[in-house]
Amino acid sequence: GENVEQHPSTLSVQEGDSAVIKCTYSDSASNYFPWYKQELGKRPQLIIDIRSNVGEKKDQRIAVTLNKTAKHFSLHITETQPEDSAVYFCAAKYGNKLVFGAGTILRVKS
Amino acid sequence: DAMVIQNPRYQVTQFGKPVTLSCSQTLNHNVMYWYQQKSSQAPKLLFHYYDKDFNNEADTPDNFQSRRPNTSFCFLDIRSPGLGDAAMYLCATSRDLADNQPQHFGDGTRLSIL
Repeated sequence: GENVEQHPSTLSVQEGDSAVIKCTYSDSASNYFPWYKQELGKRPQLIIDIRSNVGEKKDQRIAVTLNKTAKHFSLHITETQPEDSAVYFCAAKYGNKLVFGAGTILRVKS
Repeated sequence: DAMVIQNPRYQVTQFGKPVTLSCSQTLNHNVMYWYQQKSSQAPKLLFHYYDKDFNNEADTPDNFQSRRPNTSFCFLDIRSPGLGDAAMYLCATSRDLADNQPQHFGDGTRLSIL
């Protein structure tokens, strides 16, 4: 079935530390995996995505890794800042639709 | 400039009173989506339009309908809102379905039911 599991549900880090959020998916045919950041009361914003033909993608302090064999992908945020505090959603493409993970509340303490 | 625009940002309606939420886009994207997002939960897809082709999710209640009169606009109609329909409703667009194009979200409409 269509399922995306996301862990942890909440994550607190000290400013400057790294944060890692992990997701697993169930359909080996999935080939597109975006990550969205959603601040309170605002729209989900795409922060990075990865396609199945690559294993890693990086954009400044944000990186995503994909392990197709194990069917899991992870978001890495380095040198975290207070403005990184938000809810982060992973998603996987199943057929024509995105299925989202349950979200991770990231709190960066200054 | 906002590319996916949702109106209104906040909507209050009465139990059982029909309500319509609107979404417009300036991206000329082929696909428009409607999601329901309840507090502390992930967005849940209700349906999408690929051009004029309507695709309903199997678990979307019949109470929810949609219209897409042209490329730019898409509406979400809730025929008889119940208390359980209070949520944020998000519209999103993508260029296409098959090319794994990113989805771009609007700011959402927060619906309250009295």
